[in-house]
Parts: sequence; structure tokens; C-alpha cells
Amino acid sequence: NFMLTQPHSVSESPGKPVTISCTRSSGSIASNYVQWYQQRPGSAPTTVVYEDNQRPSGVPDRFSGSIDTTSNSASLTISGLKTEDEADYYCQSYDSNNHGVFGGGTKLTVL
Amino acid sequence: EVQLLESGGDLVQPGGSLRLSCAASGFTFNDYSMTWVRQAPGKGLEWVSAIIGSGTTFYADSVKGRFTISRDNSKTTLYLQMNGLRAEDTAVYYCAKAPVWATHHGVDVWGQGTTVIVSS
Repeated sequence: NFMLTQPHSVSESPGKPVTISCTRSSGSIASNYVQWYQQRPGSAPTTVVYEDNQRPSGVPDRFSGSIDTTSNSASLTISGLKTEDEADYYCQSYDSNNHGVFGGGTKLTVL
Repeated sequence: EVQLLESGGDLVQPGGSLRLSCAASGFTFNDYSMTWVRQAPGKGLEWVSAIIGSGTTFYADSVKGRFTISRDNSKTTLYLQMNGLRAEDTAVYYCAKAPVWATHHGVDVWGQGTTVIVSS
């Protein structure tokens, strides 16, 4: 099976953009959809991106997802950072048997 | 408004059983696949199991043979029957809805979670 590797933590200032990466260890990143989930402290996760680049209703367009087959990675970009964006972010995809695989999570600090 | 409400979490002894429920509302339940995800204390998210509308099921290796996912479309409720519980099953269990009928498109709505503690 494959792994999804995320940076342990990232930090950026309010108003700036930030990108969180998610690298797939084997197999093509394009072979299965990638999702991104946000989890604020003490709260349940919420979905910010599904199917590589789709946003659920209510998620602001400051959140965008993409995949890069060259680096075999997915990225979540948050533009115009707000303090409320401070949270843990998890990427997730599937193996060939439709079993879910999560990345280890990235703690985003908005300084 | 789509809502998912989990229940059934409890303190249970190792080797014991528990059934979690997830009551769904605000959407046509049988048109969407559903998923269970868990989070051990202080740890990341772990995919547990999924079921499509027709009943086809998928399990993580860590729970296969011990957990059973099911759904009652008439009651718009998702279940997770957990047998042979181990200390490492201690976690908050979330149910989540997929954006489509199939399972491999992620999830777009999450419940608030129910806590399972396996301890003697």
C-alpha cells in the first residue's frame, strides 16, 4: 500500500497565502481522488476540498486543491489567510481496493 | 440541511462489543455512500469502513473480521457493529457522507462523533 506524507507543521501570517503538500509514496497521485479535511481544536473534521479540487457548499473560494503528477503530490492552497484557518489539515485518498488512506496531518499556525 | 448524528459510544471492556449508530437527515440517504472514520486520542484520522447505497462494504485491515458496517435505508441510519474490541480501538468515531453514490470520492459532510473507550 502507499503512504501520504504531509509536513508536520506550517505557519504563515494573516492575509498571506499558504500551501500544504501531500506526497504519495507509490502509485500515481492521479489514480484516485484526493480530499482535504480541516479540523479545528476540539471539533469534528470538516471537508474543504473533495475530488481533487471541488469545494462543498459554504467553503470559501480561498481554499483550492490541485494535484501535480510531476511531483506525485496534491496541494491545498489557502489564500488570504485568516486566524480562523488555524487548524489541522489532513489529505486523504484511496487505494485500488477503495480503502481510504489518510496523511498524517499538518498543523497550520496563523501567526 | 444535511445532518449526521452519531450515538452508541461507551466504555467497554477488552473483548466486548458495541454498536454505533449514525442517524442521517436532510438528504436522500440511499443515494450516497457512507463512511466511518476514527481518531484515537491525540492522533490523526484513520479510515475504518465504508458502504455504498446497495450494501457493498469495505474495511480497513485493522478492523476486518471484527467490525461490520451496515445501513438501514428505511430508517436513514448507518451502523457499525464492533466485536472483539481492543484497547487500540479507543477513539472518537465519526460517520461521514460521500458526495456521490460511490465510495472513492471522499466525504463532504461529517457528524460530530461518538467516543468509544476500550478499557478494563
